[in-house]
Amino acid sequence: GDSVTQMEGPVTLSEEAFLTINCTYTATGYPSLFWYVQYPGEGLQLLLKATKADDKGSNKGFEATYRKETTSFHLEKGSVQVSDSAVYFCALSQTGANSKLTFGKGITLSVRP
Amino acid sequence: DAGVIQSPRHEVTEMGQEVTLRCKPISGHNSLFWYRQTMMRGLELLIYFNNNVPIDDSGMPEDRFSAKMPNASFSTLKIQPSEPRDSAVYFCASSLAGAGKAFFGQGTRLTVV
Repeated sequence: GDSVTQMEGPVTLSEEAFLTINCTYTATGYPSLFWYVQYPGEGLQLLLKATKADDKGSNKGFEATYRKETTSFHLEKGSVQVSDSAVYFCALSQTGANSKLTFGKGITLSVRP
Repeated sequence: DAGVIQSPRHEVTEMGQEVTLRCKPISGHNSLFWYRQTMMRGLELLIYFNNNVPIDDSGMPEDRFSAKMPNASFSTLKIQPSEPRDSAVYFCASSLAGAGKAFFGQGTRLTVV
């Protein structure tokens, strides 16, 4: 079945550092790929998405590119802020009426002032 | 729109008691998902519905867990009898079927003592 693998965490960075969070997936066909973010005490919310190969999703300074050849969707941000401290989840969804989101385990990011 | 609404936000109950968690999806959404989040196991999909019909309940851990969706605007997740290992944050999410991205509620933090 479909699966999503995220790098082990947690990750601790200083403010303004460069961020990369790795995500790879295993799936048949051409799924859509997502990054969700969970701030403390809240539910998950969509950060960005990409629906086909070579698409780049971006939002709030974060970017991720759908790489079919490496089955990856790594999340990057050039300069993190303390407010980016959260848990980040990579996910995929197949097309179709009965599609569901398959999530990775999530990774906790802490940004120090 | 108010988003996905879950109640209660917090629940503390004694082992052996029945627990009912409630969810109101976003109006117009026809897919609904129940997830459980723990430190050890991360985010797990328990069950999801399309058009009020359960599509996949393979994530429901035991017969003690049951979920219903009597209409498009309401769903319940019931645990009977509850056990300490059921302590977790339970999330409900909704989406348009096939759209991929889902909208999450703020979760119910369940503690079974």
